Order: sequence, then structure tokens, then C-alpha cells
Amino acid sequence: AQSVSQHNHHVILSEAASLELGCNYSYGGTVNLFWYVQYPGQHLQLLLKYFSGDPLVKGIKGFEAEFIKSKFSFNLRKPSVQWSDTAEYFCAVMGFKTIFGAGTRLFVKA
Amino acid sequence: KAGVTQTPRYLIKTRGQQVTLSCSPISGHRSVSWYQQTPGQGLQFLFEYFSETQRNKGNFPGRFSGRQFSNSRSEMNVSTLELGDSALYLCASGTVIAGGEQFFGPGTRLTVL
Repeated sequence: AQSVSQHNHHVILSEAASLELGCNYSYGGTVNLFWYVQYPGQHLQLLLKYFSGDPLVKGIKGFEAEFIKSKFSFNLRKPSVQWSDTAEYFCAVMGFKTIFGAGTRLFVKA
Repeated sequence: KAGVTQTPRYLIKTRGQQVTLSCSPISGHRSVSWYQQTPGQGLQFLFEYFSETQRNKGNFPGRFSGRQFSNSRSEMNVSTLELGDSALYLCASGTVIAGGEQFFGPGTRLTVL
């Protein structure tokens, strides 16, 4: 079955800590991969995307993600988080069908 | 460019009623997708429209329907509302069908009493 799994539902970090959010997917066929972020009270907005090419993609606000085809993974990383990164993060696989992960709520302590 | 707009932003209905939600995509976008967001289920894909045709559909009952107009605006309708339909309904628009980047609206918060 097609699915997207985000390993952590809740993450709490202190400012300046490094972040890695896991995302694994199960999907037959070609897919495009996305990370979206939803800040409190705001719309979902795109952080970064992978269509093809360099498996290490950089997004806004210092975020990056690495596509590892053999592991069906697309993990999100940031070397040093800030209080303003407090938000919910969604991994998404978009092909013929669109599937979102359940989301990871990140809280960054100032 | 103006972003994706959704109306109304908040809605309260009672069980058994029906509801229509509206979405205006970003100018030039021909793809409109709808999602249901709930705390327990996350974002669930409802359907996608492109050039007035439904191109893809998620696993929702037939009570959920939609349509797209020639100006790419879209509506979704839920008939015979159930308590479990309470959710944030998100609309997203894009330039391509199936797999492209999507731009999300603020959503319509539906509460079913």
C-alpha cells in the first residue's frame, strides 16, 4: 500500500540544536517529494522539494533534505534550529496520488 | 500574485445538513486539490481537478464531491454531514497535474454539531 511515515510525532529541541526529521515512503512509480511547514496560525507552505537530480536539496530558512532512493527516505535536516522554527512539518509524496505524512510537531525552547 | 483563497473560513453545521466550500486558486493555476486535515489523521487527499475534470480521487465516501469551473475556481460539497466530518478543509492549487508543487490556502474550519 502507498504510505508516508514520519517517525516522530513530537520533537522538542533547544535553540541551536541540530534537527533531523525522518520520512520514509512506500510508493510504486515515479514520485516527487516535498516537505511542507505549517507555522502556528499560518498556511501550509513549501520548505523544499525534490523532483530529480542532486539528492541533496536545499530549501528556505536553512533547511535541507536528502533523498536516499535505496532507503525510500527523504529526511529533513537543519544544523541549528531557532525558536521561530516551532511548527508542524509534513513530508509529502506526490505522484498520481498525493500522500502526506501524519506530521511532526517541533517545539524549540528559547 | 494573490494566494489561494478559501471561503468561508469558519462554518458550523449540524448533522444531516450539507455544506459547500469554495476555493479560488492562484491566477493561472489550473490544478486544484482538496484535503481534509484532522489531528488524528493528518492531511488526507480528497480529490484533484484539472481543467474542470476530476483527475484523481482519494478514499472518501460519495458524500464528498467537488467540481471545478472554467475559471479554475473550485467547490467541494459534503452532503449528509456527520460529526466525523469536522475538520480543516484545505485547498491547494498548482500549475500541473499530479505531482507538482502545490500552494495551499488558509482552509475552511468546519464544525459539525
